Amino acid sequence: ILNVEQSPQSLHVQEGDSTNFTCSFPSSNFYALHWYRWETAKSPEALFVMTLNGDEKKKGRISATLNTKEGYSYLYIKGSQPEDSATYLCASLNQAGTALIFGKGTTLSVSS
Amino acid sequence: DVKVTQSSRYLVKRTGEKVFLECVQDMDHENMFWYRQDPGLGLRLIYFSYDVKMKEKGDIPEGYSVSREKKERFSLILESASTNQTSMYLCASNRDQGATEAFFGQGTRLTVV
Repeated sequence: ILNVEQSPQSLHVQEGDSTNFTCSFPSSNFYALHWYRWETAKSPEALFVMTLNGDEKKKGRISATLNTKEGYSYLYIKGSQPEDSATYLCASLNQAGTALIFGKGTTLSVSS
Repeated sequence: DVKVTQSSRYLVKRTGEKVFLECVQDMDHENMFWYRQDPGLGLRLIYFSYDVKMKEKGDIPEGYSVSREKKERFSLILESASTNQTSMYLCASNRDQGATEAFFGQGTRLTVV
């Protein structure tokens, strides 16, 4: 079973704080790394899909980096807002490259 | 607006019943997936399919089967429901296997009593 690890498990920050989470995955047979945001009572929604070592992607105040050689990705949120409160999931492809395997997620809570 | 639709938001079934969870997508995606989500365990892959009539076991297939007779529809079947199958079930689909984002249904919260 492919092991995708996320840390921390949960995080509580104040509005305006910047924060980051880590996703680690096996670096062998790497195909792609996905980040999703899952808000309460909604479906998970894709933030980024990254495939190349050194990839950096940005969407508004959220950005992500990818290191496929060492098997990790960081998700950054600049100036957290209460609406950023959600569970952030990362996923990597299984060894056959056919299915997404998810980490357990990082749950972010932002207080105003 | 792209859509993955699961047939029920909430279901309550009795132990031993045969349960069908249906998922339909309107994006002509080749790949479809069934996950279950449990507190502290994250999303775990049950089964997936990359083509009509094709299926592959995920990490936790025991007690489940699937059916994909049409490209747009992927059904998860609990052959004989048990209380340890009480969970949130999520269906997802995507194109080109891992290179493109997955789209998720709204989830089905199944309770087996």
